Amino acid sequence: DVKVTQSSRYLVKRTGEKVFLECVQDMDHENMFWYRQDPGLGLRLIYFSYDVKMKEKGDIPEGYSVSREKKERFSLILESASTNQTSMYLCASSPGDIKAIQYFGAGTRLSVL
Amino acid sequence: AQTVTQSQPEMSVQEAETVTLSCTYDTSESDYYLFWYKQPPSRQMILVIRQEAYKQQNATENRFSVNFQKAAKSFSLKISDSQLGDAAMYFCAYRSAGGYQAGTALIFGKGTTLSVSS
Repeated sequence: DVKVTQSSRYLVKRTGEKVFLECVQDMDHENMFWYRQDPGLGLRLIYFSYDVKMKEKGDIPEGYSVSREKKERFSLILESASTNQTSMYLCASSPGDIKAIQYFGAGTRLSVL
Repeated sequence: AQTVTQSQPEMSVQEAETVTLSCTYDTSESDYYLFWYKQPPSRQMILVIRQEAYKQQNATENRFSVNFQKAAKSFSLKISDSQLGDAAMYFCAYRSAGGYQAGTALIFGKGTTLSVSS
């Protein structure tokens, strides 16, 4: 079974802190994604990566950055957390085949106080 | 830009009954993929069913089937013989088939919360 693991289920941080959300997949997938999920808004793409050290902005990249130094790991970074970044964050991965489906992690619920 | 619309924020169904969740999308592309994902209270998103736009035949997976109307840009999900375990939020999603990098991300609707009563 494909496994996408997000390091934390729940996280509480203070405004202005630097926050790292980690995601690891065990299936050698080329593509990895970070989505943000908010009630009434569905899932919105923050960033995605199609190869090591390669990244593309999604629909809502402001206030976020990403890092992919190894194929299996994709990190989402909040340089200076703000209260409007309180949300659920979902990581996903998929093979490079255009027909392939995305596999999701269990999500990290982040609260910024 | 492509958009996905789920017009039913909430739906309810009784066990063993059938329910249909609606999804419409807007695109100028001719080749794309459509998906229904399920997110139970555990938060783990699970793929329910996938449809390839160039295939006219509607996809089915056990009790789940879709009604894909390409000209109308409609992609509804039918759940037959509903079970308590079907209670979840359901998301409709679109993915372009063109352009390797641009086409891999999913565009999601806002979701429909389905409750199942006994």
